[in-house]
Amino acid sequence: DTEVTQTPKHLVMGMTNKKSLKCEQHMGHRAMYWYKQKAKKPPELMFVYSYEKLSINESVPSRFSPECPNSSLLNLHLHALQPEDSALYLCASSQDTGKTQYFGPGTRLLVL
Amino acid sequence: AQSVTQLDSQVPVFEEAPVELRCNYSSSVSVYLFWYVQYPNQGLQLLLKYLSGSTLVKGINGFEAEFNKSQTSFHLRKPSVHISDTAEYFCAVSESGNTGKLIFGQGTTLQVKP
Repeated sequence: DTEVTQTPKHLVMGMTNKKSLKCEQHMGHRAMYWYKQKAKKPPELMFVYSYEKLSINESVPSRFSPECPNSSLLNLHLHALQPEDSALYLCASSQDTGKTQYFGPGTRLLVL
Repeated sequence: AQSVTQLDSQVPVFEEAPVELRCNYSSSVSVYLFWYVQYPNQGLQLLLKYLSGSTLVKGINGFEAEFNKSQTSFHLRKPSVHISDTAEYFCAVSESGNTGKLIFGQGTTLQVKP
């Protein structure tokens, strides 16, 4: 089983809202990732968690705040987003960093 | 620095015809190579991967790819495509040092016509 689940599938939020994206995997993977993907572009890495600790932050604005409560769960907290943050947000996991990454279906975010 | 180049942004092909999607990478060290497919409004699905061993790698849905170290290529092939293969295809290389970073190509849109 190589399933990564993400909720919600779609999200519409205003620039003053606070919302969270959730990602879950039950494969025993110890590395989890957040990516942002704009239309017709490849995914861009945002954050990497390894053994529940943040190991990479790709200079992401502080209005995006990741959290890894346990080895199966990864959240992305959103606050005061801009319309240009509208995108597909993808979560991925792998056995360890450097191993094959498996992606979830994504959350399509629209910021109004 | 590592990079990935997908030489074709769009590849139109008729149903049941063969197809090749080209991918070249640059790296001075050993790499892991991947092909992912993204259907409309979905996430990325792993098609196949090369980690080591045999240079011909078979994946899901009848796809295969060949790792060519001397030409730094990892082209994806399918002998006979279906309408359902219409999607975006991404080639990726794993950054050396096990950081977890995947370096993606810009993607190739495969358009299968009836």
